[in-house]
Amino acid sequence: GESVGLHLPTLSVQEGDNSIINCAYSNSASDYFIWYKQESGKGPQFIIDIRSNMDKRQGQRVTVLLNKTVKHLSLQIAATQPGDSAVYFCAENTPSGYSTLTFGKGTMLLVSP
Amino acid sequence: KAGVTQTPRYLIKTRGQQVTLSCSPISGHRSVSWYQQTPGQGLQFLFEYFSETQRNKGNFPGRFSGRQFSNSRSEMNVSTLELGDSALYLCASSGGGQGAASGYTFGSGTRLTVV
Repeated sequence: GESVGLHLPTLSVQEGDNSIINCAYSNSASDYFIWYKQESGKGPQFIIDIRSNMDKRQGQRVTVLLNKTVKHLSLQIAATQPGDSAVYFCAENTPSGYSTLTFGKGTMLLVSP
Repeated sequence: KAGVTQTPRYLIKTRGQQVTLSCSPISGHRSVSWYQQTPGQGLQFLFEYFSETQRNKGNFPGRFSGRQFSNSRSEMNVSTLELGDSALYLCASSGGGQGAASGYTFGSGTRLTVV
């Protein structure tokens, strides 16, 4: 399918490296944050989330860090694999209603074997 | 269980026409949200339906509308298509409680091209 990453910042890493993808969010009132992965031709897929009362959360090979002081979120992927190549989006939920997420512009991760 | 199903996957329309896209949520999910994705603007929220009612709306013109049926399936309609409406349209379903964005599951989208 057509790429959604035509205008995105790109992070290129070697297989086995650790990757760090950064995101600045917009609303200091946001209480919940999610990282999504989007592969070509597919919809965004949930990776990991974190609530605003936490500053770190770990999953399988992934860690999300939240710095509310500077409104910054990062996704760390350990031992990056070629299958991790995709566009990564952060999203924030602002508690003004239901089920509405504001997405960042995304970062394309390219992993070379 | 079956995921979120969007039909059709690809669509080509002429400027000025209208189009209807369909989304079938995960069984049991009552909330369906629609997003437009373009390379320049990224993912932008269109609207959210819950129990056949529009519960939230983004900043899109009135040409963009939607509805939800009693079985939770949702359709979105775009009238008087413009070239700038070319995009990937994504729907996401969730259980629908407050903060339900945590339970979002996205479909694969409908790629709309307006010529």
